[in-house]
Amino acid sequence: DQQVKQNSPSLSVQEGRISILNCDYTNSMFDYFLWYKKYPAEGPTFLISISSIKDKNEDGRFTVFLNKSAKHLSLHIVPSQPGDSAVYFCAAGRRKNRDDKIIFGKGTRLHILP
Amino acid sequence: EAGVTQFPSHSVIEKGQTVTLRCDPISGHDNLYWYRRVMGKEIKFLLHFVKESKQDESGMPNNRFLAERTGGTYSTLKVQPAELEDSGVYFCASSQLPGVYEQYFGPGTRLTVT
Repeated sequence: DQQVKQNSPSLSVQEGRISILNCDYTNSMFDYFLWYKKYPAEGPTFLISISSIKDKNEDGRFTVFLNKSAKHLSLHIVPSQPGDSAVYFCAAGRRKNRDDKIIFGKGTRLHILP
Repeated sequence: EAGVTQFPSHSVIEKGQTVTLRCDPISGHDNLYWYRRVMGKEIKFLLHFVKESKQDESGMPNNRFLAERTGGTYSTLKVQPAELEDSGVYFCASSQLPGVYEQYFGPGTRLTVT
C-alpha cells in the first residue's frame, strides 16, 4: 500500500510558466516532507523540504506548500526553466522517530517545453 | 568533497548468476542506505547501516540479497542467485544523521537480469 502518491506520471509546462507538482500521503504521522530531483543516469538530489509545523517553504524559484488536513503537498517552480526537466520525487517520513525511513513516491516526469 | 559513488554503473547478468554491487558513501557519513527502483515505480527502501551494523533490513526482498559494510566504510550488496524480478536500478545513499534527513544519493547501478 503506497503511503506517498504522485498520481501524475508526467507533466509538460511551457518555459517561463509555473510548474506545479502534486503529492498526496496517507500516513497522518508523517512530520517531514522532501522533494528530490533526478536527471537521467544520475541519482536523486535533494531539492527542498518542509516540516509539518509549517505550511510553506520557499527557496529561490522553488516553493513547497503543505496542506495537512488534506494530506497533500505541492511543489511550485516559478519560472520554469529548461534545466528543470527531470523526474521529481516526493518523499515523507517521521523525523521524530530517528530510526524511521524515508518513503518515496513513484515520481513525476516534468518536461519544460521551449 | 567526493559524493557517493557506486560500481558498476550497469550490470547485465543471466538468471541464476551472482552479482555484487558496491557503494562508497561520503566520507564521515555513518548512515548508509540501499534502495531499489523498478522502472516507473517508487524508490523502495532496502536497508540501513549505521557504521557497520544493520539498523533496519526490513526492505530486503528475500535471502538471496546480502548486504555488508565491513569496517563501516564502503558497502556491498550481493544478489545470489539473481532472478528476473531483481532487475532495476539500485541506489545507495548516505547521510550524517539517521532517519528522515537529507540523504545524498549515488548515481545508481542498473541491474538487468536476462
